[in-house]
Amino acid sequence: QKEVEQNSGPLSVPEGAIASLNCTYSDRVSQSFFWYRQYSGKSPELIMSIYSNGDKEDGRFTAQLNKASQYVSLLIRDSQPSDSATYLCAVIIQDSSYKLIFGSGTRLLVRP
Amino acid sequence: DAGVTQSPTHLIKTRGQQVTLRCSPKSGHDTVSWYQQALGQGPQFIFQYYEEEERQRGNFPDRFSGHQFPNYSSELNVNALLLGDSALYLCASSPGQGSYGYTFGSGTRLTVV
Repeated sequence: QKEVEQNSGPLSVPEGAIASLNCTYSDRVSQSFFWYRQYSGKSPELIMSIYSNGDKEDGRFTAQLNKASQYVSLLIRDSQPSDSATYLCAVIIQDSSYKLIFGSGTRLLVRP
Repeated sequence: DAGVTQSPTHLIKTRGQQVTLRCSPKSGHDTVSWYQQALGQGPQFIFQYYEEEERQRGNFPDRFSGHQFPNYSSELNVNALLLGDSALYLCASSPGQGSYGYTFGSGTRLTVV
């Protein structure tokens, strides 16, 4: 089993809709989770981090963490065409190095 | 305040050659991690350097090696290049080995022909 798993998509939503992106993780990982946005050919950009069970909101973005079910999600409200990108779920592996491990990413397309 | 700087931005090499990629971490950061991102995939962890030593390594062959200098900058070396080594190579720095504050560089696009 991979440490971090995501549906590759693409997830297609109309402009103005809510986009919901999901990620599951294995037992090995720590309790620190991140969502990165990556435009084609560019480097990942951190958009959200979450460490505790529940919801964390930042503007149009809400991260949700459910440790019992081992999943973390990202909601994007009022989706815009500029939100079209690949969204990478990442977790910190809590061993001696705290290395950051990524899922394969979900491609989001927001239709005008 | 400069972020993470990687060089070169693009590189074309021939199969069997060797390549060196460079990374200067963000000011105040002393830990450097390297990732390989193939097209359509998430970044794969190669290794992490802290205090000039390789601290952790991902599932990559010995052809991949690295170095960290006293000023915290780092190099990634790949020997005997294969076509499958074509990818975006990302460097990320963080302020301490146990920190969660990773900052990524813009990456080096390596094409092996």
